[in-house]
Order: sequence, then C-alpha cells, then structure tokens
Amino acid sequence: GNSVTQMEGPVTLSEEAFLTINCTYTATGYPSLFWYVQYPGEGLQLLLKATKADDKGSNKGFEATYRKETTSFHLEKGSVQVSDSAVYFCALAVSRKTSYDKVIFGPGTSLSVIP
Amino acid sequence: KAGVTQTPRYLIKTRGQQVTLSCSPISGHRSVSWYQQTPGQGLQFLFEYFSETQRNKGNFPGRFSGRQFSNSRSEMNVSTLELGDSALYLCASSAWPTDYGYTFGSGTRLTVV
Repeated sequence: GNSVTQMEGPVTLSEEAFLTINCTYTATGYPSLFWYVQYPGEGLQLLLKATKADDKGSNKGFEATYRKETTSFHLEKGSVQVSDSAVYFCALAVSRKTSYDKVIFGPGTSLSVIP
Repeated sequence: KAGVTQTPRYLIKTRGQQVTLSCSPISGHRSVSWYQQTPGQGLQFLFEYFSETQRNKGNFPGRFSGRQFSNSRSEMNVSTLELGDSALYLCASSAWPTDYGYTFGSGTRLTVV
C-alpha cells in the first residue's frame, strides 16, 4: 500500500541554521507529493507541492524536490527563523483517471527554532 | 476567498452522548475529507466525500459517520462518545480533479468527559 515515512523529531535548531526534514514514500502509480505545516492551535496549511518527478516545490524559503529514483521528497530551508517553529507533515496522493486514493500523511516532524 | 470553515471550534461532551461537526468548504470545492488528530496517533483519515458520495473511508468504527450536502457542505457525526474520541477533528477541501492540494479548516477540538 501507499505510505509516507518521515523523521519524527523533535528537531531543535538555532535561528539561521539549515533545516532538512527527510521524507520517503512508497506508492503505486504516480503520486503527487506535498508538505504541510501546522502552527500551534491551527489546522494544516499547504506549504508546497510537486506533481511529477524532478519537480521542485518552493514557498516561503522552503524547498523540496521530487526524487523518483530515491522515492524521496526532503524539505529544506537555508536559514530558519523562530516563526518557522511548527509541525511539518509530508504527504502523498496517488491519482488515477477516474478515482484516487485518499491523501496519506506522514507522522509529522516537530520543529523548534530557538533564538 | 473564504477558507474552510469548521464549527464549532470547541466542544465538551459527556460519554455516551452524540455530536455533529460541520464543515463548509472553499467555494467551488466538491471534495471534502475528514481527519482525526491526536498526539498518540497523529493524523488519521476518517472519510472523504465528493459530490455527495462517500469515496473513501478509513478504519473507524461505525459510530463515526458523515454526509455531504448538495452545496458541498459536510457534517460528521459521532454517536455514543467514548473518552478516546477526544481529539482535534480536521476538515479539508480540495478542487480535485484539477488540484490535489488540501485546504484545511482550523478544526473542532472535541473533549469527551
């Protein structure tokens, strides 16, 4: 079946440090890949997405590249800020012409950025 | 445009009672999904509706049910509440098939006492 694995953390970084959150997936078909972010007390927000191999999604300084050969979609940011403290979820959705599977989420990675 | 609206934001119920949660998707979105989020289990898929039809269902007992109306608004119902049903219930809508990205609501925090 389809699944997503990501480092669970918690991850603690100093402000301006480099961030990598690993995400790997298993899927049949051709998945679209997503990163969502959840700030304390809120619902999830779509951070970025990629719909085919070698696509790079980017938003707010975050980037992730869809690597089919390694079935990975790692999230990176060059310089984190305190305001990036949140839980990050990797997710996939496999689409077909007439139906699609539900979106599968990873367990989430908690990030704390300290000044 | 308005986001996904979930009501109520907070609920406190007693064991054995039932509860109904509401979700209004983004205008034009016909797909609505529901998730349960708990610290121990993370995000667990409940069900998904598209054009008033349940398209997918997660592994939850029959006490959990849902429906979608012709205007795409959705409700979920939990009957005979148990303490373990305490969670954040999240609704998400999408513009499938043209876009798979979810827009989530802020959630309903259900506490069962």
